[in-house]
Amino acid sequence: AQSVSQHNHHVILSEAASLELGCNYSYGGTVNLFWYVQYPGQHLQLLLKYFSGDPLVKGIKGFEAEFIKSKFSFNLRKPSVQWSDTAEYFCAVRGVDKIIFGKGTRLHILP
Amino acid sequence: SQTIHQWPATLVQPVGSPLSLECTVEGTSNPNLYWYRQAAGRGLQLLFYSVGIGQISSEVPQNLSASRPQDRQFILSSKKLLLSDSGFYLCAWSVRGGVNYGYTFGSGTRLTVV
Repeated sequence: AQSVSQHNHHVILSEAASLELGCNYSYGGTVNLFWYVQYPGQHLQLLLKYFSGDPLVKGIKGFEAEFIKSKFSFNLRKPSVQWSDTAEYFCAVRGVDKIIFGKGTRLHILP
Repeated sequence: SQTIHQWPATLVQPVGSPLSLECTVEGTSNPNLYWYRQAAGRGLQLLFYSVGIGQISSEVPQNLSASRPQDRQFILSSKKLLLSDSGFYLCAWSVRGGVNYGYTFGSGTRLTVV
């Protein structure tokens, strides 16, 4: 069965610091991977997704993620975070007719 | 354009009372529909999903049930609520056969069982 593991439950960074949020998955079929973000008081929204091709995927707001098949990983990165990046981030893997989410990482950016 | 509506936004119910949360999608046909529960530190737990009218798949045994009486309507129910049913419930939809494109989520219902 598919599963997703997010390494960090809570991350605190200062503005302009670099960000990397870890995500590992397990799934035996064709891999489709996602990162979702939930800003305070807002809906869950799609940040970026990987289907196939270039393993480096670029998303909205300067985020990117790299799919490393050999490591079963899909880590989220941003070179320089802003206070407005404070949110909860969810990694997810596609299964058959459904998406399985990780437990989420709360990111808090200090101004 | 497609939109997803979920209501109510907040709900406070006594233990043992029934529950009905409704989700509707507009602007698309034959969507896949999903109910998730979000709890702090536990992420998003898939409760039910449906690939068609009357077709419900249950992911976890629990006190809840789901129904899909119409193509774009998905209902989450309980006959008798438990304290442990408190949480944030999210409805989502995806294109039929296109779950690899991701979901669109509703705004959620905050349920508090007292």
